[in-house]
Amino acid sequence: AQSVTQLDSQVPVFEEAPVELRCNYSSSVSVYLFWYVQYPNQGLQLLLKYLSGSTLVKGINGFEAEFNKSQTSFHLRKPSVHISDTAEYFCAVSGGTGFQKLVFGTGTRLLVSP
Amino acid sequence: GAGVSQSPSNKVTEKGKDVELRCDPISGHTALYWYRQRLGQGLEFLIYFQGNSAPDKSGLPSDRFSAERTGESVSTLTIQRTQQEDSAVYLCASSLEAFSYNEQFFGPGTRLTVL
Repeated sequence: AQSVTQLDSQVPVFEEAPVELRCNYSSSVSVYLFWYVQYPNQGLQLLLKYLSGSTLVKGINGFEAEFNKSQTSFHLRKPSVHISDTAEYFCAVSGGTGFQKLVFGTGTRLLVSP
Repeated sequence: GAGVSQSPSNKVTEKGKDVELRCDPISGHTALYWYRQRLGQGLEFLIYFQGNSAPDKSGLPSDRFSAERTGESVSTLTIQRTQQEDSAVYLCASSLEAFSYNEQFFGPGTRLTVL
C-alpha cells in the first residue's frame, strides 16, 4: 500500500519570497509522483510529475520538484511566488504495473500575501 | 477542447434521499475516475472505469454507493439513502488509459450537502 504525508497544512509566505512545500511518501514498489494544484473554486490541475529519469522535474508556473528516493520525498519549490499562486497543493503517488490508484496527501494551502 | 464536466455543481438533499452525480469525461479518454474530497482532507479514491468496466470498486464506502459508465463516455455516481457523512465534494477525472503514469484531468466537482 502507498501513502503520502504532507506535514504542512498551511504555508504563509510573502510575495516574491521562495517557498518549499513538503511531501513524503511510502511505497513498496517503484513510484510515480505528482503535484496537483487546486485554485479556489476550480478543479485540480497537474503542476508536474515524476515518472523516471532526471530527479529534478520542472512544471508549469515556475514550479519544480526533486525526487529523493533515499529520503522518500518529493518536495515542491518555487524561487519567487506571486499572489496568484495562492491555492491548495496536493502531492500524490501511484506506481507498479498496470493501474494503481492515485493516493493523495491531505494538501497544503499556500497563502501568498503582499 | 472541452475539459471534464460535472453536474450538478451543487446539490443539497435531505437525509435518506437518493442522488445522482454525472460526469462527462474528455472525448477519447477511456479511463474515468471518481474521488471524494471531504472538508480539510485529501482526495479519497472511490472507483475507476476502463471503458465501461469497473475493475476496482474497492474504494466505494458502502453498498449505498454505485457507479456506472455507458458508451465509454458519461458516468453516473449514485448514492442511495444519503447520510450526513456523505457530504463532500465529489470529483471526477479522466485519462487516456488507466495506467498509473497517465495524467488525470479533473472536473470542477459536485458539492453535495446532506441535511
